Amino acid sequence: QKEVEQNSGPLSVPEGAIASLNCTYSDRGSQSFFWYRQYSGKSPELIMFIYSNGDKEDGRFTAQLNKASQYVSLLIRDSQPSDSATYLCAVRNTDKLIFGTGTRLQVFP
Amino acid sequence: GAVVSQHPSRVICKSGTSVKIECRSLDFQATTMFWYRQFPKQSLMLMATSNEGSKATYEQGVEKDKFLINHASLTLSTLTVTSAHPEDSSFYICSARWGPEAFFGQGTRLTVV
Repeated sequence: QKEVEQNSGPLSVPEGAIASLNCTYSDRGSQSFFWYRQYSGKSPELIMFIYSNGDKEDGRFTAQLNKASQYVSLLIRDSQPSDSATYLCAVRNTDKLIFGTGTRLQVFP
Repeated sequence: GAVVSQHPSRVICKSGTSVKIECRSLDFQATTMFWYRQFPKQSLMLMATSNEGSKATYEQGVEKDKFLINHASLTLSTLTVTSAHPEDSSFYICSARWGPEAFFGQGTRLTVV
């Protein structure tokens, strides 16, 4: 079983819709959870991180964490074509950051 | 946020030669840096953890004699790909931790011909 799992997609949503990205992880000792966005040929950029169960909102983005289910998600409201990218879920245990395979999001006008 | 600078952004080298990639934390000190490799359409795979003043810790399956890591100062880590082969062609990315966050360099696209 992979440590961090994501659906590779592509996930296609119309402009203005909500995009929902999901991630599961295997290590219950994981301490913090991150969402990164990566455009083709570029390095990842941090969108947000979350430590505690529940929701965390930052602008159009909401991260949700459920440690009991070992599940973390990212909601993108009012999706824009510029949001089209690969979204990487990452999980930290001790000092290492382990990445999922990423979900490719396509937002069409 | 903190800035991590990686150089070069692109390099083409001949098979059998060595290539050095630099990773610098510009506005903070990083006792630990991380090196990742990313093949096309795949995720970032952690290669090694670089510790200032001590030996790097390599992930399982990564050859430490092929991927030499040096972290001689609190702001600089280098990755040297020795005796490069075409299968080493990849996108190499470094990161450094600052507080709870990890910041990434711009990445280095290595092509071995």
